[in-house]
Amino acid sequence: AQSVTQLDSQVPVFEEAPVELRCNYSSSVSVYLFWYVQYPNQGLQLLLKYLSGSTLVKGINGFEAEFNKSQTSFHLRKPSVHISDTAEYFCAVSASGGSYIPTFGRGTSLIVHP
Amino acid sequence: ETGVTQSPTHLIKTRGQQVTLRCSSQSGHNTVSWYQQALGQGPQFIFQYYREEENGRGNFPPRFSGLQFPNYSSELNVNALELDDSALYLCASSLPFYEQYFGPGTRLTVT
Repeated sequence: AQSVTQLDSQVPVFEEAPVELRCNYSSSVSVYLFWYVQYPNQGLQLLLKYLSGSTLVKGINGFEAEFNKSQTSFHLRKPSVHISDTAEYFCAVSASGGSYIPTFGRGTSLIVHP
Repeated sequence: ETGVTQSPTHLIKTRGQQVTLRCSSQSGHNTVSWYQQALGQGPQFIFQYYREEENGRGNFPPRFSGLQFPNYSSELNVNALELDDSALYLCASSLPFYEQYFGPGTRLTVT
C-alpha cells in the first residue's frame, strides 16, 4: 500500500513570491506521482505527473515538481505565484503498472496575498 | 469534447435515507472511479468500474454500492445514510491505466 504526507496544511505567500509545497510518500513498490489542484467548489484538476524518466516534471500554470527517490519526496514549486493560484493542492501516489488509482494526501491550502 | 459531469450539485438527506448520485464520463472513457472527500481531507477511493464490472474497491462498507451502464455513465448508491457520510463525492473517468479526469462533485449533507 502507498501513503502520502503533505507536510504543510496551509502555506501563505505574497503575490509574485516563490512557493514550495512539500510532499513525501511511502511505498514498497515503484510509484507514479501526481499533483492536483482544487479551486473552491470545483473538482480536481491534474497539474502534473511523474511516471518515469526525467525527475523534473513541468506542468500547467507554471508549476513544476521534482521526484527524489532517495528522499521519497515530490515537492511542488512555482517561481512566482499569482492571486489566482489560491487553491487546495493535493499530492497523490499510485503503484506503477497498477490500476492508476491514486492515494491522496490531506491537501495543502495555498493562500496568495496581494 | 464533453468533460465529466455529475448530478445533482448539492443534496440534503436525513439519516437512514438512501441516496443515488450520478456521473457521466468523458467521451471515450470506459472506466469510472468514485471518491469521498470529507471536509478538510483528501479524496478517499470508494470503488472503480470498468466495462460495467467493479474493478477495485476501497475501505468502504457494503452500503456503498455502484453501477456502470453500457454508455459508461455511473451511479453511486448509499443506503442507511449516516451523519459521517456528509462529504463531497467525486467521480473520475479515464481509460484503463491512464490518468483520471474529475468531475465537479456532488455535495451531500446528511442531517
